[in-house]
Amino acid sequence: AQSVTQLDSHVSVSEGTPVLLRCNYSSSYSPSLFWYVQHPNKGLQLLLKYTSAATLVKGINGFEAEFKKSETSFHLTKPSAHMSDAAEYFCVVSENSRNYGQNFVFGPGTRLSVLP
Amino acid sequence: GAVVSQHPSWVICKSGTSVKIECRSLDFQATTMFWYRQFPKQSLMLMATSNEGSKATYEQGVEKDKFLINHASLTLSTLTVTSAHPEDSSFYICSARRALNYEQYFGPGTRLTVT
Repeated sequence: AQSVTQLDSHVSVSEGTPVLLRCNYSSSYSPSLFWYVQHPNKGLQLLLKYTSAATLVKGINGFEAEFKKSETSFHLTKPSAHMSDAAEYFCVVSENSRNYGQNFVFGPGTRLSVLP
Repeated sequence: GAVVSQHPSWVICKSGTSVKIECRSLDFQATTMFWYRQFPKQSLMLMATSNEGSKATYEQGVEKDKFLINHASLTLSTLTVTSAHPEDSSFYICSARRALNYEQYFGPGTRLTVT
């Protein structure tokens, strides 16, 4: 069975400082991993995804994440936070097997606050 | 490409009535669609998986007679909340899995408020 842990429920950074949102996963198969962002009362926007290609994945809006199999981690980073980055971030794992489909398991989410 | 829409985006209904939410894949065919529920300040929880032309598969604890899912075509799935109660108030999000590459795309969500 697959599961996702997001170690911090809330992260607060100052504008212009680096962002680190942590995610650890467990999966029986070679997983696909995703980061989604959700602004208040909005749907989900895909930031980036890992699907067994390059372990360092670059996404939109300057975000990137590194897949580390030995640590079962997929942490999300950004060098410099912007006020518009304030939102809820979800790490998602999917066992991308054709037999089992692409069922997503969502982490509990991390709320990012950006202080001026 | 790969856009998923939901209608309505926001609905208020009275307790005891039924509400239908539509999920459409606008520019691709989706053999499978998923319905999620998100309570305030919580994560998304999968409610059910629907495959075109067959019955939906519900997650444990989700009442299939209360949350009716129909996936009659490759571009449309509907979720009907029957006899809605205030505790059904939530943000409902659908996703569609593209038949071509098995990628999953999310709709913008529907906020249901039951008074």
